[in-house]
Amino acid sequence: GIQVEQSPPDLILQEGANSTLRCNFSDSVNNLQWFHQNPWGQLINLFYIPSGTKQNGRLSATTVATERYSLLYISSSQTTDSGVYFCAVEGPMGDYKLSFGAGTTVTVRA
Amino acid sequence: EAGVTQSPTHLIKTRGQQATLRCSPISGHTSVYWYQQALGLGLQFLLWYDEGEERNRGNFPPRFSGRQFPNYSSELNVNALELEDSALYLCASSLSFPLHFGNGTRLTVT
Repeated sequence: GIQVEQSPPDLILQEGANSTLRCNFSDSVNNLQWFHQNPWGQLINLFYIPSGTKQNGRLSATTVATERYSLLYISSSQTTDSGVYFCAVEGPMGDYKLSFGAGTTVTVRA
Repeated sequence: EAGVTQSPTHLIKTRGQQATLRCSPISGHTSVYWYQQALGLGLQFLLWYDEGEERNRGNFPPRFSGRQFPNYSSELNVNALELEDSALYLCASSLSFPLHFGNGTRLTVT
């Protein structure tokens, strides 16, 4: 199956800092989503971005499908941004099965 | 608009028992997906139901089963519980992409 690698595994930020999270995948993808999992386990949909660039407030994402990677940018980080960020992809089979990366754990310190 | 709702929030069972987890999709969504998030194993695809039929299944033993009802809600049943079934079980729904996740049911097997 498709492999999804996220980097870095852990990230510690000072409040107000900017950061970039990366997601590499091993095959072509039909769909890609970024999620944020908060400390209570809620998995919140951040972006649906199989290609191109999107922005939502302080967050933005870019997917370059031809080069098999996606980036999530966090600007002016806040303590509420803490949690685990997951990239998930649907591979070329189009089987509606999302394969998740291992996640990036972000800790934002006040 | 109500999101994906899951019940119960927490469930404690003894090894060998059966567990039933429930999921109500977002209104208008016909597909329901189940994922397992076990410690150290990440998020893994379990099952996909669409229009009442099982459409895809992850690499899990047959004691993991489920169904989707005419109102598109879904049940996940886990028979003959084992200690390693302890995990957060997440349900998602969609009409197509993107998938929207519920808050999960945390199953503890003792």
